[in-house]
Amino acid sequence: AQSVTQLDSQVPVFEEAPVELRCNYSSSVSVYLFWYVQYPNQGLQLLLKYLSGSTLVESINGFEAEFNKSQTSFHLRKPSVHISDTAEYFCAVSAFNSGAGSYQLTFGKGTKLSVIP
Amino acid sequence: EAQVTQNPRYLITVTGKKLTVTCSQNMNHEYMSWYRQDPGLGLRQIYYSMNVEVTDKGDVPEGYKVSRKEKRNFPLILESPSPNQTSLYFCASSLYSYNSPLHFGNGTRLTVT
Repeated sequence: AQSVTQLDSQVPVFEEAPVELRCNYSSSVSVYLFWYVQYPNQGLQLLLKYLSGSTLVESINGFEAEFNKSQTSFHLRKPSVHISDTAEYFCAVSAFNSGAGSYQLTFGKGTKLSVIP
Repeated sequence: EAQVTQNPRYLITVTGKKLTVTCSQNMNHEYMSWYRQDPGLGLRQIYYSMNVEVTDKGDVPEGYKVSRKEKRNFPLILESPSPNQTSLYFCASSLYSYNSPLHFGNGTRLTVT
C-alpha cells in the first residue's frame, strides 16, 4: 500500500526565518502531488500541486515545493515565514493502485508549523 | 461562490442515536469523499463516490453509510454512533478523482457521549 511520510509532526520557527517541511512517499509509479494547508478551525485548502512539467512549483504566498522522483520526495519550503503561516500542512500523493484498479489519494499525518514572533 | 457546505458545524449526541451530516457542493464535481481527522492520525478516508449512485469504501468505513442520489449531495450517516466516532469530519469534492485538487468543507466536529 502507498504511504506518505511527513517526517516532522511539529516545526517551530522564528518569524522571517526559512522553513522546510519534508514529505516522502512510497509509490514507484507516476504520481500527482499536493500540499494542503489547514488554518485553525477551517477545512484544508490547496497550497500547491505537481501534476507534470517543471519539478519546481510555487504558490501565490511564497511557498514552493520540488518534486524529486529519485528520492520520492516533495518537500515544501519558504525562504521567510510570517506569523500568518502558522497552520498545519498536509502532503498528499495520488497514485494508481493496481490492486484496486483505480487511483488512490493518500495523505500524510500533517506537520504543524508554528511561527514565533 | 464555489464551495463545499457541511452541516452542522458542531454536533453532540448520545450513543446509538442515528444522525446525518449533510454535504453539498456547487461546482458540478464528479468526485466526493468523506474524511475523519484525529490527532496524530491525520486524515483518513471513510467513503468516496466517483459519480451519482457510485460509492465505495475508504480506509475506515465501519459504522458509516453514505449515499449519492444527486451529484451535488453526499450525506454521511451514522446509524448507531459510538464514542470512538467522536472526531472532526470533512467532506471534500473534486472534478476528477486522480489529479484534481480537493475542495474541502469547513468540517463537522462530532462528539458522541
